[in-house]
Amino acid sequence: GQSLEQPSEVTAVEGAIVQINCTYQTSGFYGLSWYQQHDGGAPTFLSYNGLDGLEETGRFSSFLSRSDSYGYLLLQELQMKDSASYFCAVRVDSSYKLIFGSGTRLLVRP
Amino acid sequence: EAGVAQSPRYKIIEKRQSVAFWCNPISGHATLYWYQQILGQGPKLLIQFQNNGVVDDSQLPKDRFSAERLKGVDSTLKIQPAKLEDSAVYLCASSLGDPQIRDEQFFGPGTRLTVL
Repeated sequence: GQSLEQPSEVTAVEGAIVQINCTYQTSGFYGLSWYQQHDGGAPTFLSYNGLDGLEETGRFSSFLSRSDSYGYLLLQELQMKDSASYFCAVRVDSSYKLIFGSGTRLLVRP
Repeated sequence: EAGVAQSPRYKIIEKRQSVAFWCNPISGHATLYWYQQILGQGPKLLIQFQNNGVVDDSQLPKDRFSAERLKGVDSTLKIQPAKLEDSAVYLCASSLGDPQIRDEQFFGPGTRLTVL
C-alpha cells in the first residue's frame, strides 16, 4: 500500500517560522511535491524535491531525505494569508501521478 | 494563459441519479487527471489520461464511474448511479507530461457534488 503521514493541524504566530513534516511509505519514489489549498480553492503547486536536500522558493523551502523517507515544508515570515491546508504528494512512478497525504491545516494567528 | 476550466461548479442530485462533469485543461497539456477530494482529506486520483489514452484508472469505481477524453483535449467524468458516499469535490488537473525534473499539476476550481 501507499501511505503518507503529516500532522493534521499546526498553529503558528504571524511572522514566525513553521515546519510541516511528511513521512512516506510508497511502492516507488520519484519525488516529493507540496501543494497549498485555501478553503474552497484549488490546490496550487509550491515546490518539488527529486533529490536530497533543500529547495528554496522565496519564503518557502522544502527538504527531502530519501534514505529516511522524509521531507518537510518550511514556511518563514508567516503571513495571515498562509492559513491554508498543505499537502505533501509523492510521485510514485514515471507516469507523473501523485499520491497525496491527508493534509496539514495551518492556522496563522496575529 | 487561461487556467483549467471546470463546470459546473456545484451540483446537487438525489442518490441513484446520474451526473457529468466537464474539464478543459490548459492548452498544450498532454496529461489530464481527475481527482476526488472528500472533505478533510487529500485529493485521490481517479483516472489519468495521456493525450486521449488512459494511463491509470486503478482507483476508478468502474461499476459507476466513467471518463473519456476523446480528442485529447477536454474530458468528461460521469457517475451513474450516484451514491451518498460520492459527495465530494471533483478536481480536474493538467500537466505538460514531459519528462521534466518536476511536473507541476495545475488544478481547476473543482465541482462540489452533493448527493442527497
